[in-house]
Order: sequence, then C-alpha cells, then structure tokens
Amino acid sequence: QQPVQSPQAVILREGEDAVINCSSSKALYSVHWYRQKHGEAPVFLMILLKGGEQKGHEKISASFNEKKQQSSLYLTASQLSYSGTYFCGTERQNAGNMLTFGGGTRLMVKP
Amino acid sequence: NAGVTQTPKFQVLKTGQSMTLQCAQDMNHNSMYWYRQDPGMGLRLIYYSASEGTTDKGEVPNGYNVSRLNKREFSLRLESAAPSQTSVYFCASSVEQGLETQYFGPGTRLLVL
Repeated sequence: QQPVQSPQAVILREGEDAVINCSSSKALYSVHWYRQKHGEAPVFLMILLKGGEQKGHEKISASFNEKKQQSSLYLTASQLSYSGTYFCGTERQNAGNMLTFGGGTRLMVKP
Repeated sequence: NAGVTQTPKFQVLKTGQSMTLQCAQDMNHNSMYWYRQDPGMGLRLIYYSASEGTTDKGEVPNGYNVSRLNKREFSLRLESAAPSQTSVYFCASSVEQGLETQYFGPGTRLLVL
C-alpha cells in the first residue's frame, strides 16, 4: 500500500522552513527520501532505519516515528535549489525489501 | 562513470506494438529496478532483479516482461502496448536490495496512441 504524503504542495519564500510528512498503515522497517526536479530523475536524500537516529543532509533532516509509522522531512532556511518534488519510499517489514513510494510533495521556493 | 543509462529517451507507439526499454549501469551494482511514474502516483515498481539471474514482480507487473541480461543490463519489454502504459519509465540500481541508495537513470518517456 502506498504511503500517504502531506501536504501535496507547498510554496515557501527563501529562508522559510517546511515539514513534509509521510505515513503508512503498515509496520515499516525503513523510510527513504528522494527529491526530483522537473524533468529529471529522483535523487537520494537519506534513509532512516527502524531504531535509528534522526538523519541530516545539509539543512535538510528527517525523523522516523516507529510507533506511528510516520516519517517527517524538515527543510530549514529553504533555498531556491530546494524546489522540486519530494518522495518518501517505505520499506515494510517482511515484504521483500521493496520500496513503495508516496505520491510526492511539490515544493516551490520563491525569492 | 555514466551511472545508469536508459534508451530511448522518448518513444511513441501505436496500440498493440511492442518495444524494449534498455537500461545499463556501470557501478557494479547487484540489484536493478524498473519503475513507472504517472502524475500524482509517485513511482510504482514494475519488476526488480535482486541479483544477476533473478527477477521478481513488483506492484504493477501486468503487461510487462523483463530480462536481466547480465550484471550491467536490465531490459523491460512491452509485448503489446496499451494507452494505459503511457508513462515515464525509470530504471534504478543499488549495491544490494533494501537499505541501499537507489540510483536512477534519466527516464524514458513513452506515449502509446
């Protein structure tokens, strides 16, 4: 089952913060975050493992709440280069290590 | 290193025609994947190959076949294309399956009329 991402779209001014959420109805083993710019391939941001620590990448960090089967991606002091569509991919326990991706969150950062 | 390459970049087919999408990686990765991306649906896994010589169905395998030709190459075949297969197709690879970064190719845009 596809994880649910929220919000579906968000518009920010440069320097503002944003949070993107990803939730699943199934028990998760890991959550992967990717960013895709228009017309390009998705690019890996980070992986969060069950029982693992919060990860960080530049001014982008993420957390994984195992009890709620939710992950959140935090974008701090957003830059124009952060614009794109963010996807979470979830790996379920005992499901053959396949990733199931959410529908994506479109982020636009304006000057 | 070229990473993951895909051919063709664009293709227009008529309903019922067949075609093969090619994918190759030069990173010595064991696992390879085929996804399709439709607006608002994110990426959906069609087939994957955990290692050379093995292939398995993903979420949406109907209408497709795959071949893991060798460690580098993983092809996707549409035997009889349908308009519902109009999509952007991405190939990806990773060192191993699961808990690993997937590296995506540039995609193939397919239109079936």
